[in-house]
Amino acid sequence: EAEVAQSPRYKITEKSQAVAFWCDPISGHATLYWYRQILGQGPELLVQFQDESVVDDSQLPKDRFSAERLKGVDSTLKIQPAELGDSAMYLCASSLAALHEQYFGPGTRLTVT
Amino acid sequence: AQSVSQHNHHVILSEAASLELGCNYSYGGTVNLFWYVQYPGQHLQLLLKYFSGDPLVKGIKGFEAEFIKSKFSFNLRKPSVQWSDTAEYFCAVIGNNRLAFGKGNQVVVIP
Repeated sequence: EAEVAQSPRYKITEKSQAVAFWCDPISGHATLYWYRQILGQGPELLVQFQDESVVDDSQLPKDRFSAERLKGVDSTLKIQPAELGDSAMYLCASSLAALHEQYFGPGTRLTVT
Repeated sequence: AQSVSQHNHHVILSEAASLELGCNYSYGGTVNLFWYVQYPGQHLQLLLKYFSGDPLVKGIKGFEAEFIKSKFSFNLRKPSVQWSDTAEYFCAVIGNNRLAFGKGNQVVVIP
């Protein structure tokens, strides 16, 4: 069964450093999402792509976060500089289209020290 | 902005007990509704979904949910839980092309 791939699975970084996460969606899925999940809460959408275009980044802290999906396939989420409050699970999901069910990857657990 | 409310964040029950988890949303237009489950150490995965049609939907592992439009609710039920149902359950709503998740229900089933 096809899965969403994410790497790394775990990342420890010092505050003020840069960090990047990678996501490879299920083949053929046009829509890709990045979420942040803090322990004890539901996933919070950071950015949504339709192919290579951003369709919703209203919750993305643009002063330090950036995301790209240059060829409309895999995607990278970057944080620079990282802050202590960025410690969380970062989830990637993909779907065939915007209103369809989403398939989630295993996530990247980020710890900022 | 729309919101999704899940109450009783922590639920503890014995095997064979019935489970009902509430989900209420604030968006007044057409919605697509989902319940996702996250078993310990595993990915979030889809439990069931509602787009249109019969408001009583059946999902995997004996779960079902009922969409009540007048109450803006999409409650999840299972008549008899098993120890393997221990997990975190998230309600999610797409309205106006925006997806929002609830805060989740941590369910622990005691053998």
